[in-house]
Amino acid sequence: KAGVTQTPRYLIKTRGQQVTLSCSPISGHRSVSWYQQTPGQGLQFLFEYFSETQRNKGNFPGRFSGRQFSNSRSEMNVSTLELGDSALYLCASSYLGLAGGTTEETQYFGPGTRLLVL
Amino acid sequence: GIQVEQSPPDLILQEGANSTLRCNFSDSVNNLQWFHQNPWGQLINLFYIPSGTKQNGRLSATTVATERYSLLYISSSQTTDSGVYFCAGGNTGGFKTIFGAGTRLFVKA
Repeated sequence: KAGVTQTPRYLIKTRGQQVTLSCSPISGHRSVSWYQQTPGQGLQFLFEYFSETQRNKGNFPGRFSGRQFSNSRSEMNVSTLELGDSALYLCASSYLGLAGGTTEETQYFGPGTRLLVL
Repeated sequence: GIQVEQSPPDLILQEGANSTLRCNFSDSVNNLQWFHQNPWGQLINLFYIPSGTKQNGRLSATTVATERYSLLYISSSQTTDSGVYFCAGGNTGGFKTIFGAGTRLFVKA
């Protein structure tokens, strides 16, 4: 199976612009989560989608939004970019279903999108 | 919310040495994972281990859910083990996975 893919891999934007990042989960995986990683704050949870519904949300401002499509692919959008939004954005997918008698919740991460805001 | 504390924050080992990384949780979690992040930023899942013990080659992990901690053992370390090790936990019913700050491991040849 192909792994989790994220596009684009690198992105440079200026303050005030908006950006859309894309994540394609592993085939058959229904849950997609997004994380922001910065040197100062570490890995922080943004939101999680399951069957096109946002089930959980982290403590980020409303400028951060996302969605999931019927094929489980997900996008996240950041509007009115700020310098502090420069980060590695990671997407993870999970099957979240029964496998071998137990719920399979292992998360598999994509390579990330490195966003630089100037 | 759940707090995740990892120790030690940094670790330098000579190739061939063994090590134990620890992860403490402030509250109970029912999904717990260990990850390795390589120098290029890729996070690799090592274990999904909400309780009990698992082994995969030179790596093994033990979670004692009742005492809210997990341990990752690395035996006969190799230079390719270098990187940052994260533990992460949350509760079933949707991921709101909280990551620890990580243990940065450097294995010297």
